[in-house]
Amino acid sequence: EVQLQESGPGLVKPSQSLSLTCSVTGYSITSNYWGWIRKFPGNKMEWMGYISYSGSTSYNPSLKSRISITRDTSKNQFFLQLNSVTTEDTATYYCARLPGSYVMDAWGQGASVTVSS
Amino acid sequence: IQMTQSPSLLSASVGDRVTLSCKAGQNINNYLAWYQQKLGEAPKLLIYNANSLQTGIPSRFSGSGSGTDYTLTISSLQPEDVATYFCQQYNSWTLTFGSGTKLEIK
Repeated sequence: EVQLQESGPGLVKPSQSLSLTCSVTGYSITSNYWGWIRKFPGNKMEWMGYISYSGSTSYNPSLKSRISITRDTSKNQFFLQLNSVTTEDTATYYCARLPGSYVMDAWGQGASVTVSS
Repeated sequence: IQMTQSPSLLSASVGDRVTLSCKAGQNINNYLAWYQQKLGEAPKLLIYNANSLQTGIPSRFSGSGSGTDYTLTISSLQPEDVATYFCQQYNSWTLTFGSGTKLEIK
């Protein structure tokens, strides 16, 4: 059974970079697509982007200049970096598996990140 | 593509048939998924392709609709169904979600 777990700092200062790790067990990240989704206070959900089995990426155009998703296949982990954060990036960040790049059939528990000075 | 869910809050009794609505800003060709998120838990995929039940999901959940209008139905509400339900379209490569319907027990 695939399991995903997010990790990273819970507090980031404005203008700095947010970095999160998703550790995957029970399934290789060299298959399928692996993405990041965030949920803002008030329940709005936003798809941020994904990295494919081959290492190609796709990003939400609203974030394209600030986001990077990379991976380490030897550790079966993938990563989110979001640059130049503001308080509006305060959210719970989820990593997920996307078979076929369209829907998320397995999710991590989520990592709460607050952007504040 | 904008996704609009209604109602934002729904209160129903155990055993009731419950219907949640999701409306897309344009035709999404049945490329719609439904997720359930219980408090403090990760979201769970319930339905994909508008009406296909994900493996392991109870048969009291069903999805329907076409074009811009879609529905998630719970045929007999159970206490464990208390959650927020989100729809998500994948007709456009920029995936988008609805704002959610919070389902409570009366």
